[in-house]
Amino acid sequence: GAGVSQSPSNKVTEKGKDVELRCDPISGHTALYWYRQRLGQGLEFLIYFQGNSAPDKSGLPSDRFSAERTGESVSTLTIQRTQQEDSAVYLCASSGGLAGTETQYFGPGTRLLVL
Amino acid sequence: GEDVEQSLFLSVREGDSSVINCTYTDSSSTYLYWYKQEPGAGLQLLTYIFSNMDMKQDQRLTVLLNKKDKHLSLRIADTQTGDSAIYFCAERNTGRRALTFGSGTRLQVQP
Repeated sequence: GAGVSQSPSNKVTEKGKDVELRCDPISGHTALYWYRQRLGQGLEFLIYFQGNSAPDKSGLPSDRFSAERTGESVSTLTIQRTQQEDSAVYLCASSGGLAGTETQYFGPGTRLLVL
Repeated sequence: GEDVEQSLFLSVREGDSSVINCTYTDSSSTYLYWYKQEPGAGLQLLTYIFSNMDMKQDQRLTVLLNKKDKHLSLRIADTQTGDSAIYFCAERNTGRRALTFGSGTRLQVQP
């Protein structure tokens, strides 16, 4: 597609349930990032994928958070046993391509509400 | 670690210039970015500047970088009501691909 897409756009879940968030990066982009944005705050880095290299997981807040990426395409962020503090907008971005630009382009985000 | 600071709120009248300021602590920052976020929407890249530049102009937008003071500003000329949004400053350094963001400045444009 023309831009980064994410699904679902909104997700309401009960505390303790697992959720999966999906990101489709811009075609040809080799790098993919997940960020979290809590209400009224800036973005916090979660995890970064670059090609077939080991992901940079340094931003994941706990072992309840994990992410996978298949090759240079779709990524899934999984949050297990969700807590109310996980409520936030989860943003995905991608960068790179033939020109090797580092500029990150963001998707519209998934708004997660944990009740 | 890296830190990026922005003022929380700016209000201007339509037609005036807006100046949004940002300070950062990482002396190895290589790229600095401005993103715009409208209500309910993702982040839209407005412009970016390399750390070896001190100014970049793009239509109504002017970015000024004072590397010595680690200060970045975004000037929007002839501000319009459609410019009302939250503006995020972000930086990236050579050792890390992820961006470090400020908390955002909410720009309110009054008609």
